[in-house]
This record gives sequence, structure tokens and C-alpha cells, in this order.
Amino acid sequence: DAGITQSPRHKVTETGTPVTLRCHQTENHRYMYWYRQDPGHGLRLIHYSYGVKDTDKGEVSDGYSVSRSKTEDFLLTLESATSSQTSVYFCAISEGTGGGGEQYFGPGTRLTVT
Amino acid sequence: EDQVTQSPEALRLQEGESSSLNCSYTVSGLRGLFWYRQDPGKGPEFLFTLYSAGEEKEKERLKATLTKKESFLHITAPKPEDSATYLCAVQPTTSGTYKYIFGTGTRLKVLA
Repeated sequence: DAGITQSPRHKVTETGTPVTLRCHQTENHRYMYWYRQDPGHGLRLIHYSYGVKDTDKGEVSDGYSVSRSKTEDFLLTLESATSSQTSVYFCAISEGTGGGGEQYFGPGTRLTVT
Repeated sequence: EDQVTQSPEALRLQEGESSSLNCSYTVSGLRGLFWYRQDPGKGPEFLFTLYSAGEEKEKERLKATLTKKESFLHITAPKPEDSATYLCAVQPTTSGTYKYIFGTGTRLKVLA
């Protein structure tokens, strides 16, 4: 158990509203990731972090921003939610040297944008 | 282009009926290949890491193998509790350590 929690677990929001999802880990892992999972697609990387205040974009970063002010928390913000951002969002950590190796995932947040 | 393809998309087995899931990959260089199990409404759960062709890993009824082009997840005498979606992911040696490419998964249903 990598001690990863996500909040909220479910959220329904309206188009145009800002939304922040939180990922919290208890074991001081340096590398953290945000993915989205949609039918017909594999998990797709949104943003990742390699340390406090160190973040970078993944393959589907448009419309999303992240922040990491503490090792244990990685926040994902949808500045102005759109229906195309309806998805299940997973946070993950990796333990390997330099960020490689297997990943451990949180329980997910199901987001619906109406 | 780096790519991962899993087959079949869905598989139904009778309890005790052994089978294999396939993960074909195309990457310029392989840092690692990973198998995960995902139950409905939950996050993926790590199963195995394979690093080089010829490597095998085993856990209970599951055995993962790796060649230069594909990996197989063999399920021996499956039980209903093995029903889940199985995901494969690769980490290329290029493009930084953050990059993992996931397949779309195989949905396995084991019938009692």
C-alpha cells in the first residue's frame, strides 16, 4: 500500500467552473503523476512532478494545471471545466531511481462536467 | 511512434480454463514493461515488472513473460476472483523517465 488518497472521489460540476482535485501521499515519494482514463484509451498522462515546485506537462495537458507546494500533495486544477474533461482521474507515484519503475495508483476521482 | 496494443479486448473463461493475454509493443528502447490489474471503480494495482527479453515473473496463478516485441500474461486455472481488467504499460528509454505508455487493457471474466 503506497498510502495514496484522492479527494474528492466523485464530483459533478458545471461547464465553466474551476475544479481542483487533490492527491495525497504519506511516504515522501518524489515522483507523482496525474492521469485520466477514458473508454477506448489507455491511461494518458496529464502532468507529472519530480519534486516540490517541479512539474511538467504530459501528453494531454491542455486545460489543466498542477501545483506541488509540499512533497505529499499534488493538486490538479481544471481552470474552466469542459464536458470533454468528464473522465476518471488517477494519481500515481513511482519509487524507482530517477522516476522509473512501477507505479502505484490512488483510488481515482470520477469527474462529471455537465 | 511508441505504441502498446493489448489483445484480446475481452475474454471469458470457465473456471480452471487456462489462457494468455497479449501485450505487443513498439518502442525505440525498453526501460521496463509493467502489468497491472484493475478492478471496477478502483485504481490499477501493480503486478509485475519485466526488463529484458526472456525474463519471467510469477505470482500465484499469473505468470508474465517478455520477448523483444511482446509480453504475455498467462493465467493458469483461473478462478472467478481473477476477473478484472489487466493493463500493460511500457516505459521507453527515450523521452524521459516520466513517460509510460499504457495499453487499453483486456477485460477478463472468469465464470464459476
